Amino acid sequence: SAVISQKPSRDICQRGTSLTIQCQVDSQVTMMFWYRQQPGQSLTLIATANQGSEATYESGFVIDKFPISRPNLTFSTLTVSNMSPEDSSIYLCSVQGVGGRGSRGPSETQYFGPGTRLLVL
Amino acid sequence: QKEVEQNSGPLSVPEGAIASLNCTYSDRGSQSFFWYRQYSGKSPELIMSIYSNGDKEDGRFTAQLNKASQYVSLLIRDSQPSDSATYLCAVMYDYKLSFGAGTTVTVRA
Repeated sequence: SAVISQKPSRDICQRGTSLTIQCQVDSQVTMMFWYRQQPGQSLTLIATANQGSEATYESGFVIDKFPISRPNLTFSTLTVSNMSPEDSSIYLCSVQGVGGRGSRGPSETQYFGPGTRLLVL
Repeated sequence: QKEVEQNSGPLSVPEGAIASLNCTYSDRGSQSFFWYRQYSGKSPELIMSIYSNGDKEDGRFTAQLNKASQYVSLLIRDSQPSDSATYLCAVMYDYKLSFGAGTTVTVRA
C-alpha cells in the first residue's frame, strides 16, 4: 500500500468561498481519484485525476464546481468552489497502482486517504 | 456509476458469532470486487479483494464471489467487538469503484 495524506483534515467555511484540498502520496501511483461522502451516505466518485491533462468527471459533477489538478504522479488537489451548505461532506482521495503498476491484481486495489471533513455555514 | 446493493442493516451479532454480509451488483462486466471496513469518523480501509468465483479466506474473513449470480458476500467468523464498523462492498469497472450503501455491524460483548 501507500501512505496518503490530505490537507486540511477538516475545515469550516463560509458559503460562497472556495477550499482547496491537497492529496499527497509517498510513492508514485498510476491513478488518483476524488470521492465525496455525505453525512450518513456511502462514497460517490467525483472524478479521476489525470496527470498532465484535465480530470474525468462523473455524472453530476462539473469542472467549474470541482476543479482538479494533478501535476505529477504523487500529488493532486481538489477545489470545492462557491461553496454552499450542501457541500458539507467528507472528501477523500484514493490511489491505485502503487509503484506505477497498472496490471490487474493487487495493484488494482484502491487505498484511501484520511479524508477532509468540510462544514459549510 | 454502476449499481451496487448491500443487505440493509444494521446487523447486530453476539461476540463469537458469524456476521454475514451480502452484496449484489448490476454490471456483468465487473471483474474486481472489494470489501472495505469503515470505522466511524475514519476513511475506508481494505479488508478483502476477490477476483475469481469461489471463496477466499484471510484470517477470520471469508469473501465469496458468484459472478453468474452477480453476488459477493463477506463472512466474519468469531466476531469481535473491534469488528463493529460499517462494511462497504465495492465493485470495480473500468478502473472505477462503485460502492454500496454499506452495512453497519455491531458486535455485542
